[in-house]
Amino acid sequence: GDSVTQMEGPVTLSEEACLTINCTYTATGYPSLFWYVQYPGEGLQLLLKATKADDKGSNKGFEATYRKETTSFHLEKGSVQVSDSAVYFCALSGRGGGATNKLIFGTGTLLAVQP
Amino acid sequence: KAGVTQTPRYLIKTRGQQVTLSCSPISGHRSVSWYQQTPGQGLQFLFEYFSETQRNKGNFPGRFSGRQFSNSRSEMNVSTLELGDSALYLCASSLQIGGDEQYFGPGTRLTVT
Repeated sequence: GDSVTQMEGPVTLSEEACLTINCTYTATGYPSLFWYVQYPGEGLQLLLKATKADDKGSNKGFEATYRKETTSFHLEKGSVQVSDSAVYFCALSGRGGGATNKLIFGTGTLLAVQP
Repeated sequence: KAGVTQTPRYLIKTRGQQVTLSCSPISGHRSVSWYQQTPGQGLQFLFEYFSETQRNKGNFPGRFSGRQFSNSRSEMNVSTLELGDSALYLCASSLQIGGDEQYFGPGTRLTVT
C-alpha cells in the first residue's frame, strides 16, 4: 500500500541555519504531496503542497519539489527561525482508489531551533 | 471565516465507557475526515464523510464509528473504550472530496483510565 517515510528527528539547528527534512513516498498512480506543521498543543496546518511531478510548493520561506523520478518531496528552508520550531509531517493523498481526501502521513520530524 | 472547531477539547473516560466527539467544519465545506494521533502509531486515518455518506474507512475496529449530518457537522463515537484509545483525535474539513486542501481542527485529547 501507499506509504511515506521521513527522516527521524529531532533536528536541532541554530537560528539562520539551512534546513532539509527528507521525505520519500511509495504510491500507485500520481499522488498529491503535502507538508503539514504542528505546533505544540495545536492541530495540523498545511504548509505547502504539490499535485504533480516537478511542481514546487512554497510558503513562508519553505519549499519542496515533487520529484517523481526519486519519489521524494524534501522540505527545505534557507534560514530557520526560532518560531519554526514544531513537528513537520510529510503526507500523500493517493488517487488510485477513487475520490478521497485520505492522507497517509510520515512519522513526523521534530525541529528545534535554538537562538 | 471561522476555522474547524472540535468539542470537547479534553476528555477523560474510564475503560468500558463510550464517548462521542464532535466536529464542525468550515462553513461551506462538505467533506470531513477524522484521524487518530498517538506517539506510537502516529497519525492514522479513521474515516471520511462527504454529503452524509461515509466514503472511506481506515483499519480500525468496529468500536469506532461516525456519521455526518445534513449541515456537514460530524461526530465520531468510540464504544467500549480501551486504554489504547487514548489519543488526540483530529478532524479535518475540505470543500469537496478528491485531493482537496484540508483544514484541521485543534483536536480532542481523549484520555482513557
